[in-house]
Amino acid sequence: AQSVAQPEDQVNVAEGNPLTVKCTYSVSGNPYLFWYVQYPNRGLQFLLKYITGDNLVKGSYGFEAEFNKSQTSFHLKKPSALVSDSALYFCAVRDLGSGNTPLVFGKGTRLSVIA
Amino acid sequence: DAGVIQSPRHEVTEMGQEVTLRCKPISGHDYLFWYRQTMMRGLELLIYFNNNVPIDDSGMPEDRFSAKMPNASFSTLKIQPSEPRDSAVYFCASSFGTEAYEQYFGPGTRLTVT
Repeated sequence: AQSVAQPEDQVNVAEGNPLTVKCTYSVSGNPYLFWYVQYPNRGLQFLLKYITGDNLVKGSYGFEAEFNKSQTSFHLKKPSALVSDSALYFCAVRDLGSGNTPLVFGKGTRLSVIA
Repeated sequence: DAGVIQSPRHEVTEMGQEVTLRCKPISGHDYLFWYRQTMMRGLELLIYFNNNVPIDDSGMPEDRFSAKMPNASFSTLKIQPSEPRDSAVYFCASSFGTEAYEQYFGPGTRLTVT
C-alpha cells in the first residue's frame, strides 16, 4: 500500500527566509513523488516531480525538492520565501510498477509567509 | 491547451435536489479522476476512469452519487438527492496514461447544499 505523511499542518516563515515543507512516504517498490500547490479558491497546480535520476528536483516558482531514499522523504524547499508563496501544499506518491493508479495525496500543509 | 474545464464553478441548491457537475479533461488524456475536498476530510478520491471506463468507484460515498464518462471529452458527477453534508469543493483531474505522469486539476466546483 502507498501512503504519504505531511507531519505539519501549518508552517510559518518570514519573508526572505528559507522554507521547508516536509513529506515522508511509504511504498512497496520505488516511488514516483509529486508536489502540488493550491492557492485560495483554485485547483491544485503541479509544482515538480521526482521520477528517477538526480535527487534534487527543481520546479516552478523557484521551488525544489530533495528525494532521500534512506529517510523515505521528499521535502519541498525554497531558498527565499515570498508572501505570494502562502498557500496549501500537497505531497503525493505513486508506486513504480503500480500502473497509472491515482496519486495518493497527503493531507496538505498550509504555508504562511509573513512580511 | 485550456486545461481541465469544470462547470459550474459554484452551485447552490436545496436539500433533495439533483446536482450535476461537469468536466472536460485535457485533450489526449485517457485518465479522469473525481475528487472531493472538505476542511474535515481533506482531498478524497471518489472515482476514476480509464478510456471512459470506470476503474474504481470505491470512494463514492453512497448510492446517491453516480459518475459517467460517455466519451473521452466529457464526464459528469451526479448527486441525487443532495444533502447538506455533500457541501464541498469537487475537483476533476486528468492524466496521460503513464505512471510517471502528473495529474492536472480543474478549478473545482464549490457546491453548497442548504
